[in-house]
Amino acid sequence: EDQVTQSPEALRLQEGESSSLNCSYTVSGLRGLFWYRQDPGKGPEFLFTLYSAGEEKEKERLKATLTKKESFLHITAPKPEDSATYLCAAGGTSYGKLTFGQGTILTVHP
Amino acid sequence: DVKVTQSSRYLVKRTGEKVFLECVQDMDHENMFWYRQDPGLGLRLIYFSYDVKMKEKGDIPEGYSVSREKKERFSLILESASTNQTSMYLCASSLGGPKYNEQFFGPGTRLTVL
Repeated sequence: EDQVTQSPEALRLQEGESSSLNCSYTVSGLRGLFWYRQDPGKGPEFLFTLYSAGEEKEKERLKATLTKKESFLHITAPKPEDSATYLCAAGGTSYGKLTFGQGTILTVHP
Repeated sequence: DVKVTQSSRYLVKRTGEKVFLECVQDMDHENMFWYRQDPGLGLRLIYFSYDVKMKEKGDIPEGYSVSREKKERFSLILESASTNQTSMYLCASSLGGPKYNEQFFGPGTRLTVL
């Protein structure tokens, strides 16, 4: 059975304090690792897709990386507006079915 | 820009009512999905559709049905709403081909069943 585990469950940072979120996955035949940002009461907002180990993607203060077993979302010099829940999802060989992690709730204090 | 819209942000219904949730995407995507999201349970797939008039059950289809008469529109139907269907409902869509897993979500509908 495909599994995705995110850690930590919650992370509190001071503004400017860089850190990383972890997403460990067990998926047969990975067909993409996806990161989303979700604000309270809203739908997930697409951030990144990673398809192969060693791949990296960047957007503003966020950088996503992928190995054969896990993905990291690195946040450099975060700002309070980066506060949100970050979701990781993995796609396997079952068409259209993503396995989601439980999310990491990030809070950035000014 | 990718655009998925849902008919209502908030909805309050009574037990036993028939409920329709509508989702529209304007990206010409082949695939559309319905999820529900609950605290502690994460996102769970209810149904998805990979083509007009085609549908597949997800992980929790009981109590729900779907309709896809046009490529851009995917409806979720609660035949007889129950209180345990109070949840956040999320619609998503994706292209076919190699990017079929890259799903884009709508804003969500918060449904309360009294």
